[in-house]
Amino acid sequence: EDQVTQSPEALRLQEGESSSLNCSYTVSGLRGLFWYRQDPGKGPEFLFTLYSAGEEKEKERLKATLTKKESFLHITAPKPEDSATYLCAVIPNQAGTALIFGKGTTLSVSS
Amino acid sequence: GAVVSQHPSRVICKSGTSVKIECRSLDFQATTMFWYRQFPKQSLMLMATSNEGSKATYEQGVEKDKFLINHASLTLSTLTVTSAHPEDSSFYICSASAFSTDTQYFGPGTRLTVL
Repeated sequence: EDQVTQSPEALRLQEGESSSLNCSYTVSGLRGLFWYRQDPGKGPEFLFTLYSAGEEKEKERLKATLTKKESFLHITAPKPEDSATYLCAVIPNQAGTALIFGKGTTLSVSS
Repeated sequence: GAVVSQHPSRVICKSGTSVKIECRSLDFQATTMFWYRQFPKQSLMLMATSNEGSKATYEQGVEKDKFLINHASLTLSTLTVTSAHPEDSSFYICSASAFSTDTQYFGPGTRLTVL
């Protein structure tokens, strides 16, 4: 069964304290892996798409990496405005276009 | 770019009435649109997938007669919750993807409260 697991469930950081969020996946071939940010009461905001192992993408303080079994979202020197829930999702090969979501990591950054 | 809007953002209705939610892709043509439901502190649950001009494909356990989905154009999809009941109260979110891409762009969501 295709599955996405995110860890930790919740993460508290001090401003400037870098860390990483993990997304491990079990799929029958990966077509694409996606990272989103969701603020309370809002829809997910697209961050990154990764397609192949070794691929990396960056945006401001965020960097996403991909291996054959997992993806990491690295947050460098976070600020309070980075506080949100970060969602990881995959589309397996041999599937339609539906995303399979993990349960998310809720990040809180305090000043 | 890649902006998706939803209307209304909040709706309160009486039990037994129907509610329509619109989802629009503002700056791209959405060949596929998706409707999700999200309960508090939980991840998104896919309800249905729709391609422009075709009937929607519903996920297992989602009542197609209760949640009517129409995708009549490349920029508009609608979700109608028929004969709404309090258990239908939830946060409904749509997403859209363009032709030959997998990336889904999400709308801001609609909070439905059924009294």
